Amino acid sequence: ETGVTQTPRHLVMGMTNKKSLKCEQHLGHNAMYWYKQSAKKPLELMFVYNFKEQTENNSVPSRFSPECPNSSHLFLHLHTLQPEDSALYLCASSRTQGLDYGYTFGSGTRLTVV
Amino acid sequence: DQQVKQNSPSLSVQEGRISILNCDYTNSMFDYFLWYKKYPAEGPTFLISISSIKDKNEDGRFTVFLNKSAKHLSLHIVPSQPGDSAVYFCAAPGRDSNYQLIWGAGTKLIIKP
Repeated sequence: ETGVTQTPRHLVMGMTNKKSLKCEQHLGHNAMYWYKQSAKKPLELMFVYNFKEQTENNSVPSRFSPECPNSSHLFLHLHTLQPEDSALYLCASSRTQGLDYGYTFGSGTRLTVV
Repeated sequence: DQQVKQNSPSLSVQEGRISILNCDYTNSMFDYFLWYKKYPAEGPTFLISISSIKDKNEDGRFTVFLNKSAKHLSLHIVPSQPGDSAVYFCAAPGRDSNYQLIWGAGTKLIIKP
């Protein structure tokens, strides 16, 4: 167990569905991140929350909606996704944004949009 | 515009030999670099880092070398073991907005028995 838990591990959803990805950490970290990993491409940063405040939104389409109710939990709400959104979605945490780069990653959610 | 480049998508090395993974960067302002390792169905895990004030950092079988003039760093693994088979990502904190990590595309290392 890495300390960052992501659920579900796998998700298949239709383009009209609404689903949510969950990320949880109890490492005492204050920064949490959503990344998208597509095959043979660099990790793409989607969102950053630092002390529960969103500090980064890297031009992510509005069909992805993050939520951070507290420093330990992070959600990614999905609706009307496209097949090209199929990827591995990784959550990570660190002590504080910009000061600690030894991120702890979850195992990811493998998302398939059909 | 990829600021961190890993030009080899994959590398195959015999067990016991040295594995050398390469990473190039374009921004001379980068001053800190990290290597992460990723197994299938798991998230990346931090492996080793180096600050630009050094040209070498060693941790057990893993050594990272930094050549600032060439904007190049490399990760050496010696001796290579089957458990080293994984995807290795090079990353650097960006110098713009909030110092977010900029990642390479990764190199898949395969250790042959």
